[in-house]
Amino acid sequence: QVQLQQSGAELVKPGTSVKLSCKASGYTFTSNHMNWIKQTTGQGLEWIGIINPGSGGTSYNVKFKGKATLTVDKSSSTAFMQLSSLTPEDSAVYYCARRYLDYWGQGVMVTVSS
Amino acid sequence: DIVMTQAPLSVSVTPGESASISCRSSKSLLHSNGITYVYWYLQKPGKSPQLLIYRMSNLASGVPDRFSGSGSETDFTLKISRVEAEDVGIYYCGQLLENPLTFGSGTKLEIK
Repeated sequence: QVQLQQSGAELVKPGTSVKLSCKASGYTFTSNHMNWIKQTTGQGLEWIGIINPGSGGTSYNVKFKGKATLTVDKSSSTAFMQLSSLTPEDSAVYYCARRYLDYWGQGVMVTVSS
Repeated sequence: DIVMTQAPLSVSVTPGESASISCRSSKSLLHSNGITYVYWYLQKPGKSPQLLIYRMSNLASGVPDRFSGSGSETDFTLKISRVEAEDVGIYYCGQLLENPLTFGSGTKLEIK
C-alpha cells in the first residue's frame, strides 16, 4: 500500500535551516510528482511546491521561492524539503503529498523558537 | 492565484441527516480536456487530510458512497448523506488546475 513516511518534529532556532524528509513506499517513486504543503491555524493549507522525482524538475509557489528547496534521492525513494532563514512565521505542520494529493504523509511539526 | 471560497465556516448536523458544503472558485476549473479540477478533502482531528472526491464528482477509493460531489465550472458542492459520527472534521475544497494549488479555508463539521 502507498505510504509516505515523514521525519520527526523539529525545534529549531531563528535564522537556521531545517531539512525535512518524506520516504515513499508502495509505488514507483519516480512515476508520481511530490507536493509539499504548509498548514497553519491562521493561513490554512498553503501549497509550497512540487518536484518531479524522475527529472528533479521543480515548480514553486512564488511565496516560498527562496524559502523552500525541494530535492529527491531516487536511490532511497525519499523526497526532501529544506527551509532556510527560518523565522517564527515558518512554524507550522508540513506535509508531503503525491501529485493529486491522493496520499499524504503524516505531517511534521516545525517550531521556530529561540 | 485562484481563490477558493468555502461556505459555511461550520455546520452542525444530527446523525442520519444530510449536510452540504459549498465552494466557489475565482476562475473556471474546467480544463480543455473536459475535466474539472476541483477536489475535496477531509481532515479528521489530529490526522492528515484525506482525499474524498477527485475531479469534481469522482469518489476516491475506500470513501463511502454517502459522499458525493457536483458542480459547474466555478461553483461546487460536497454533499454528505446520512451523516455519521466518523464524518467529523474539517472539509477543504482545493483546485488542482494550475500552480499554485489553492484551497478553501475549510468547513468544520460537528455532530449535534
